[in-house]
Amino acid sequence: EADIYQTPRYLVIGTGKKITLECSQTMGHDKMYWYQQDPGMELHLIHYSYGVNSTEKGDLSSESTVSRIRTEHFPLTLESARPSHTSQYLCASSESARGDTQYFGPGTRLTVL
Amino acid sequence: KQEVTQIPAALSVPEGENLVLNCSFTDSAIYNLQWFRQDPGKGLTSLLLIQSSQREQTSGRLNASLDKSSGRSTLYIAASQPGDSATYLCAVSASTLTFGKGTMLLVSP
Repeated sequence: EADIYQTPRYLVIGTGKKITLECSQTMGHDKMYWYQQDPGMELHLIHYSYGVNSTEKGDLSSESTVSRIRTEHFPLTLESARPSHTSQYLCASSESARGDTQYFGPGTRLTVL
Repeated sequence: KQEVTQIPAALSVPEGENLVLNCSFTDSAIYNLQWFRQDPGKGLTSLLLIQSSQREQTSGRLNASLDKSSGRSTLYIAASQPGDSATYLCAVSASTLTFGKGTMLLVSP
């Protein structure tokens, strides 16, 4: 059983607020990922990290930022939330970037009013 | 740019039927292909991972095949049950994972 956690699970917030979505894993994985998923649509990679102090932008352009100060923690921040940021955000981790399964957290469903 | 297509988009079957979900991808330069299950409002659960050098993987009632040269994979579910109802996602791995939109499966009692 994978141990990857996301908080909050649901968040409703007003336009202009700063928010941080938390993701942590207890498996010691070096690789971590953030995906964005709109209803009925495919997951799109928005950020990834191959280790501490390493972050890269994914395939889908996003106004969010990430940090990786500790191996187990990969938070995502939106400085000023807008209704266009309404979506589900999924965090994942894997032992290696290429050959291993990615383990997913339960997701955060964000609604910006 | 890699593109992943899943057919059908939705499928409704009575309990007990065997069924096949299809996945195709445009770039055969992949490290592996994974099938995931997603329940409504939840994260993804990995079902099967097929390395690029493999042809198939089995887990219980699930069997996934991979034909890398033709860019195709199938997920076979035997003796379907209502608990199998979920969205099934196919994803191919190069430097990062590329997902299809999924097949929404409903198995009725």
